[in-house]
Amino acid sequence: AQKVTQAQTEISVVEKEDVTLDCVYETRDTTYYLFWYKQPPSGELVFLIRRNSFDEQNEISGRYSWNFQKSTSSFNFTITASQVVDSAVYFCALSGPDGYGQNFVFGPGTRLSVLP
Amino acid sequence: EADIYQTPRYLVIGTGKKITLECSQTMGHDKMYWYQQDPGMELHLIHYSYGVNSTEKGDLSSESTVSRIRTEHFPLTLESARPSHTSQYLCASSDPTGGVNCEQYFGPGTRLTVT
Repeated sequence: AQKVTQAQTEISVVEKEDVTLDCVYETRDTTYYLFWYKQPPSGELVFLIRRNSFDEQNEISGRYSWNFQKSTSSFNFTITASQVVDSAVYFCALSGPDGYGQNFVFGPGTRLSVLP
Repeated sequence: EADIYQTPRYLVIGTGKKITLECSQTMGHDKMYWYQQDPGMELHLIHYSYGVNSTEKGDLSSESTVSRIRTEHFPLTLESARPSHTSQYLCASSDPTGGVNCEQYFGPGTRLTVT
């Protein structure tokens, strides 16, 4: 069975600090997909990134960066120079090779509070 | 940018009433999903659909039902609302091509309160 663990339930940082959100996954599939979503207080889930299991390149998008390491089954998310608008619940997710149905699982989420 | 819509955004209703939560997407996606979530907490998959006339129950037992008569429309119905149904309901869709591009796009959600 597929599983996503986000061990950090809540994190608080002061604005401009860097923060890393951890995500550890379990799967028996050799092909799989990893995702990060952001859920601000408004409640809508916003898709941030998809990473394919066969592509271990790290990615940077502005202040956001993602570190995918197959050896440790981790897909961590770093926000550099955090801002108050980054306050949200962040979900890591994992999908099997077919990409849908019950093979698409979300982690429990990490609530990030960025204080001014 | 995803185009997926949910109505109503907020609903307060009395126990025993029948309600239908609407979800529509304009992207032509085959796969659609309903999740139940207490705000900021875990998402629980309650229903999904592979396409027209195809629906499946998710991993969370739910007293709701769904239908998929048109590709773009995936309504969720509660025949008799109870206070335990109070939650946020999120609709999503995706268009995986051999697994790739399988990210789900979410609607804004419906916050349901049953009194």
